[in-house]
Amino acid sequence: SQELEQSPQSLIVQEGKNLTINCTSSKTLYGLYWYKQKYGEGLIFLMMLQKGGEEKSHEKITAKLDEKKQQSSLHITASQPSHAGIYLCGADRSVRGAQKLVFGQGTRLTINP
Amino acid sequence: EAGVTQFPSHSVIEKGQTVTLRCDPISGHDNLYWYRRVMGKEIKFLLHFVKESKQDESGMPNNRFLAERTGGTYSTLKVQPAELEDSGVYFCASSLRQGHSYEQYFGPGTRLTVT
Repeated sequence: SQELEQSPQSLIVQEGKNLTINCTSSKTLYGLYWYKQKYGEGLIFLMMLQKGGEEKSHEKITAKLDEKKQQSSLHITASQPSHAGIYLCGADRSVRGAQKLVFGQGTRLTINP
Repeated sequence: EAGVTQFPSHSVIEKGQTVTLRCDPISGHDNLYWYRRVMGKEIKFLLHFVKESKQDESGMPNNRFLAERTGGTYSTLKVQPAELEDSGVYFCASSLRQGHSYEQYFGPGTRLTVT
């Protein structure tokens, strides 16, 4: 099984609707990253959460970290076509100076006009 | 400021051939990472350079893969000989420092197809 599970795997919403993507870890979360990817492009950094209970917002996107539940959620308010893409959560698994991220499989978001 | 760049964007090679991927990190970023995503799987870590030194190469699949970062600037990832299962998207990322507070900036990736 995967270390990070994202749900749902794909999501189709009508423009203007709100949506939530979840990321659940099988291990303790020390740092959780959210990235967005559009086809043919690299991963665009959205937000990084480090502390339990931390919540960050950027424009219409809000991310929260529930450390006890080993879970993070990404919420988009009033979705727009520009929000379409693949959303990926990544967990920081740095060990003794060597840093690496472990990713979920991604959530493909489609926005219907 | 230029982002992380990767070359080529696409590569199609036959099984048994050699391919070299290149990554140019953001200027001044000592930390460089390689990841890859194979079909249907999540993005997986390959290795981490700090300047020219390999900090962690625990994710390298086997000895057909060789990563270098001479001079601590750009990096290359060579696959020799390539196998069908090497097909996927290879991403490079860089960060200014290492640690929980420093985000990794990703390049657009190189899509490798081995036929």
